Amino acid sequence: DTGVSQDPRHKITKRGQNVTFRCDPISEHNRLYWYRQTLGQGPEFLTYFQNEAQLEKSRLLSDRFSAERPKGSFSTLEIQRTEQGDSAMYLCASSAFRADEKLFFGSGTQLSVL
Amino acid sequence: SQQGEEDPQALSIQEGENATMNCSYKTSINNLQWYRQNSGRGLVHLILIRSNEREKHSGRLRVTLDTSKKSSSLLITASRAADTASYFCAPTRGGADGLTFGKGTHLIIQP
Repeated sequence: DTGVSQDPRHKITKRGQNVTFRCDPISEHNRLYWYRQTLGQGPEFLTYFQNEAQLEKSRLLSDRFSAERPKGSFSTLEIQRTEQGDSAMYLCASSAFRADEKLFFGSGTQLSVL
Repeated sequence: SQQGEEDPQALSIQEGENATMNCSYKTSINNLQWYRQNSGRGLVHLILIRSNEREKHSGRLRVTLDTSKKSSSLLITASRAADTASYFCAPTRGGADGLTFGKGTHLIIQP
C-alpha cells in the first residue's frame, strides 16, 4: 500500500495560465475525491468519481475547472485561465467501496497563482 | 454529508496535559469520523465512531458521541509535541458523496 500520491507537490503559475494536477489513488480504491483548502479553513469538496464516472460536482467547481479519471485509475484536475483566487492546496482522497466512508488523503498540491 | 463544527477553533496546552475538542452537527448520522492534519500535509483518519456507539478508544485517543445532543468530543491524553495539528470532525449519513469538513480545531502543544 503506497498510499495516495499527488503530483506536483507545489506549483507556481502566472494568472491566466492553465495548470493540471495528478492524483494516483490507492490501487484497490474505486472512489476518488478532490478537495480544495485555503489557509485556516477546512477542505472544501470539489468533485467525486466512482470508477471513471464523475458522480458529483460542487457549485464551487466553476467551468474553468475540469476533472477526469480515465479508466478509473489516476485522476487529473485541470484549472484553465487561473486566477489569484485559485491559490490553495488541492487535496485528493480515495476510499474503498464500503459503508464506512473513511478517506485516505494525499499530501496535496499547493498552487500559487501570481 | 453534513458539516461538523469544531470547537474551540484554537487550543494551546502544555505537553503532557490532556486536550479536548468538540464537534457539533445538525442532522442524524450513521457515523462520525475524526481526522488530523499536520501543517502542509493531507488529512489522516484517526477514528470512526458509529451512531450506536457512545465511546471509543484508540491509543491515547478517546472519542465520545452523544446523538441526543448531536455532539462528539475527542480527547487526547498525555499530549506530545507531535500532536500539534488541526483536527477535523466529519459526521456522515453514509453513502458515497464524500465528507464535509468545518474549520477544525488548531491544537498547539507547548514543550
